[in-house]
Order: sequence, then structure tokens, then C-alpha cells
Amino acid sequence: DAGITQSPRHKVTETGTPVTLRCHQTENHRYMYWYRQDPGHGLRLIHYSYGVKDTDKGEVSDGYSVSRSKTEDFLLTLESATSSQTSVYFCAIRSDSEAFFGQGTRLTVV
Amino acid sequence: EDQVTQSPEALRLQEGESSSLNCSYTVSGLRGLFWYRQDPGKGPEFLFTLYSAGEEKEKERLKATLTKKESFLHITAPKPEDSATYLCAVQAKTGANNLFFGTGTRLTVIP
Repeated sequence: DAGITQSPRHKVTETGTPVTLRCHQTENHRYMYWYRQDPGHGLRLIHYSYGVKDTDKGEVSDGYSVSRSKTEDFLLTLESATSSQTSVYFCAIRSDSEAFFGQGTRLTVV
Repeated sequence: EDQVTQSPEALRLQEGESSSLNCSYTVSGLRGLFWYRQDPGKGPEFLFTLYSAGEEKEKERLKATLTKKESFLHITAPKPEDSATYLCAVQAKTGANNLFFGTGTRLTVIP
């Protein structure tokens, strides 16, 4: 398995609270991504990073922020969680020819 | 705008009954086309990357092929353990260096 770990694996939170999801890699890859997966939509890119402190928005970035202070860690923050952010979140890392995904975080906002 | 359409949405096969899954794409210059397998409750598992029309790759009972407009994932003599959702994604030569995904084909192989 590619060395990529997401935490937590499951979380239930209340509307309006901040939430941070963590992605940790041991592969030293430059590119890291956060996706969300919802029925009928497939995987959609939230934010990505192309190096330490270098990040950019994806197609569904509203309400999310990210930080990457070290090569191995990429954090996704929901600044004020809403019910529409209930989803399964996947982190991915990419080499030149392959992209590997973590096991996912199932987030429920109640 | 990059677009990926997978068909069919769902496919049921008898064990040993070969078939193909389709991934049609529109992208502003293809850098790569990726195939993944996803089991329920798990992250996508990388299968193949294809780069240019005419390219083929194989892994066990799976073979992926690529043309300028679509890719096929051929499954030969499938087994029940091949049951999963198969995802296709494209990466464009320009833009966010992102993988743009289709919604997948859910394959069920019946013993």
C-alpha cells in the first residue's frame, strides 16, 4: 500500500463548528490533493498542493481551506461546517505516473 | 471543459462472462487517463495509467485500452472478487494538474 494515512476515519460534528482533517504521507511526493465523493457526482477536487506552502483551489473549494507546512502533511479545514459538507473525503498523492488515495474520512454534519 | 462519462452505470455479469466498461472523455490535451477500482468503504485503488492512443495495459483479468476519445476496460472471465466500482479519470496537460473523474461503473459478478 502507498504510504498515505487519513485521520480521523469517521467524524460527526455539529453545524457551525470548525473541523480539520489530516492527510499524512511517507512517500515524499510533491503533489497532494483533497477530494470529496458524493453519490452521483464522483470524486471532485477541493484543493491541492504542489509543494510546502503552495496550494490552489479545485472545483468545489468554497467553505474549505488547506495548509501544508511540511511535505508529509496536508490539512483540510472546514471553517464552519454545514450539512452540505456531509461527505466522504479522500486525500491523494501523485507521482509522475500514478496517483494513490487514502482510505477516506466519512464526515457527517448534523 | 474537461468531461468524463462512464457507461454503463451498473453491470451484472455471470462468472466467466467477459465484457467491457467504457470511459468517454473530453479534455484539452490529454496528459494521462487513469483507471481505479473502488470497493465499498475504501479508497480508490490504482490500476492503470494510459498516455497515448493505441496504448494497452494488462493486469490479471483486466486490460485497458485508449483511443483519442475513449478508453475501455476489458474484463476477461471475471470472478466474484472482481465486483467493485471502476472509476476512470483524466489529467489534462494544462490547468490544475488534477485528475477529473467520471462517476464510475458498478460491476457485480455473480457466481
